[in-house]
Amino acid sequence: GEQVEQRPPHLSVREGDSAIIICTYTDSATAYFSWYKQEAGAGLQLLMSVLSNVDRKEEQGLTVLLNKKDKRLSLNLTAAHPGDSAVYFCAVSEPSNTDKVVFGTGTRLQVSP
Amino acid sequence: EAAVTQSPRNKVTVTGGNVTLSCRQTNSHNYMYWYRQDTGHGLRLIHYSYGAGNLQIGDVPDGYKATRTTQEDFFLLLELASPSQTSLYFCASSDAWMQDTQYFGPGTRLLVL
Repeated sequence: GEQVEQRPPHLSVREGDSAIIICTYTDSATAYFSWYKQEAGAGLQLLMSVLSNVDRKEEQGLTVLLNKKDKRLSLNLTAAHPGDSAVYFCAVSEPSNTDKVVFGTGTRLQVSP
Repeated sequence: EAAVTQSPRNKVTVTGGNVTLSCRQTNSHNYMYWYRQDTGHGLRLIHYSYGAGNLQIGDVPDGYKATRTTQEDFFLLLELASPSQTSLYFCASSDAWMQDTQYFGPGTRLLVL
């Protein structure tokens, strides 16, 4: 089945810096990719989703890049601010079973003033 | 706005205890899911359902039962709780496949002593 690796597990940046989180996956037929944000004591909030025919998507200071050749998905927070401090998860669909999504192990982002 | 609620928010039980976690969604979504979240593992799917009376086995089902009594309600049952089931449990719902936007509940923290 699909295997997803997410890195780094912890990331500390200063306010205004960019933060990049990367996920790699194993199944080249994966069709759907998402990033979630989890704030302390809360559930997961969907940030952005892309289909496999999209290489780049930008929304509200977030950029998602999809490199299908390398099977790599990244989330770039440009000009991070303290409110971005949270745990971020990538999620990819499992094409052999469209009922399932495989999550990355999470990245704890700390943005200091 | 999608709404998924969970109860209780926190639960402490002893080994061998009987625990029921409740989830309700008010969006008439077809799919509902139970995940557990543990450090180093990210989110792992326990069970899911695509409608009232339906149950599908997830990736880590051992020691868990689930029941979807109505379109809105999905319950996770631990009939003989073990310390290894100490975790943070999330319920989620989506309209169609898992690739569709998943809306997460706030989580239930379970401690098994």
